[in-house]
Amino acid sequence: DAGITQSPRHKVTETGTPVTLRCHQTENHRYMYWYRQDPGHGLRLIHYSYGVKDTDKGEVSDGYSVSRSKTEDFLLTLESATSSQTSVYFCAISGVSEMNTEAFFGQGTRLTVV
Amino acid sequence: AQTVTQSQPEMSVQEAETVTLSCTYDTSESDYYLFWYKQPPSRQMILVIRQEAYKQQNATENRFSVNFQKAAKSFSLKISDSQLGDAAMYFCAYRRKWSNQGGKLIFGQGTELSVKP
Repeated sequence: DAGITQSPRHKVTETGTPVTLRCHQTENHRYMYWYRQDPGHGLRLIHYSYGVKDTDKGEVSDGYSVSRSKTEDFLLTLESATSSQTSVYFCAISGVSEMNTEAFFGQGTRLTVV
Repeated sequence: AQTVTQSQPEMSVQEAETVTLSCTYDTSESDYYLFWYKQPPSRQMILVIRQEAYKQQNATENRFSVNFQKAAKSFSLKISDSQLGDAAMYFCAYRRKWSNQGGKLIFGQGTELSVKP
């Protein structure tokens, strides 16, 4: 299994509070991604990173920010959590070569905003 | 923009029977990758099968095979000899082949497969 760990695995937080989810990889992969999973929508890309300090927005980036200060760590921050951000969040990693097309996923974080 | 559509929210199959999950996609590119991922109740995302668009031969992995129709932009998954452990959510996903932005995946809505003993 690819070395990718998300923390925490579960979190309940109150509306308006900041929340940070962490993704840690031991594979030295260049690309890292944050997705959210919601019923009827599949997984949708929030933000991704193509290198240290290089990040870009995905399809559903409003209300989220990310940071990547080291190759192995990719943080997702909800500056002020809202109920619409209740979801399951997945981190994923992938390499750069044509022979390495597979994305590897973390175990997911279930976030509930009350 | 690319899109992926799974029109079957739920499917059911009898153990040992065959089931086909449907997926259609839209893209203007000629070379790309398509994937089927399995998500059991544990939430883990597991790659089931991968297809490269330039390859005409349909990919197979043991009991899992695809029917890739490039002109129709269709990518269905066939599960033969269904087992209880196949019960899961299945996602179809698309990825551009060439991109300096890595391998961003575009997912379909998912199909929940149940297997009856």
